[in-house]
Amino acid sequence: GIQVEQSPPDLILQEGANSTLRCNFSDSVNNLQWFHQNPWGQLINLFYIPSGTKQNGRLSATTVATERYSLLYISSSQTTDSGVYFCASEDNAGNMLTFGGGTRLMVKP
Amino acid sequence: NAGVTQTPKFQVLKTGQSMTLQCAQDMNHNSMYWYRQDPGMGLRLIYYSASEGTTDKGEVPNGYNVSRLNKREFSLRLESAAPSQTSVYFCASSELAPGELFFGEGSRLTVL
Repeated sequence: GIQVEQSPPDLILQEGANSTLRCNFSDSVNNLQWFHQNPWGQLINLFYIPSGTKQNGRLSATTVATERYSLLYISSSQTTDSGVYFCASEDNAGNMLTFGGGTRLMVKP
Repeated sequence: NAGVTQTPKFQVLKTGQSMTLQCAQDMNHNSMYWYRQDPGMGLRLIYYSASEGTTDKGEVPNGYNVSRLNKREFSLRLESAAPSQTSVYFCASSELAPGELFFGEGSRLTVL
């Protein structure tokens, strides 16, 4: 199956700062998704982004499927952005989503 | 909107005991999934049901069984719990498999 590597593994930001999280994949990606797990453990789907760029408020995501990576941009970070961000993708064999190990983000006030 | 609902939220078992985690979704999704999340790790797929009447193994199916009771409900059963099954379990659903996932709030299971 596909291997999913996320970087950085940990990130500490001051409130108001911008950041970029990255996902690299070992194979071509399909059905790429980004999730946020808040400090209470709840998983929220942020983006369903097989290719191209999408924006939702302060967050945006870009997937370049041919180059096997995706980026999540967080602008003007807030303390409520803290938590773990996961990316996940299906591989070309049609296997179910494989998750990366996550990026743990802490935004300090 | 309830979305995906899991019960129970917390459970403590002794080694060898059995239990069933229940999951229900009200989004009329065709596909449902069970994942486990261990400390510091991402999510690993246990079983999934692409559509009512079908179930398939995921990455880590050993020690688990599932039942797709109807379109809304998908249960996960541990027949003889082991300490290695201590984890947080998430149920998810999507309109199609694979597809955009929506998760329940998780069930924290501890096996002593």
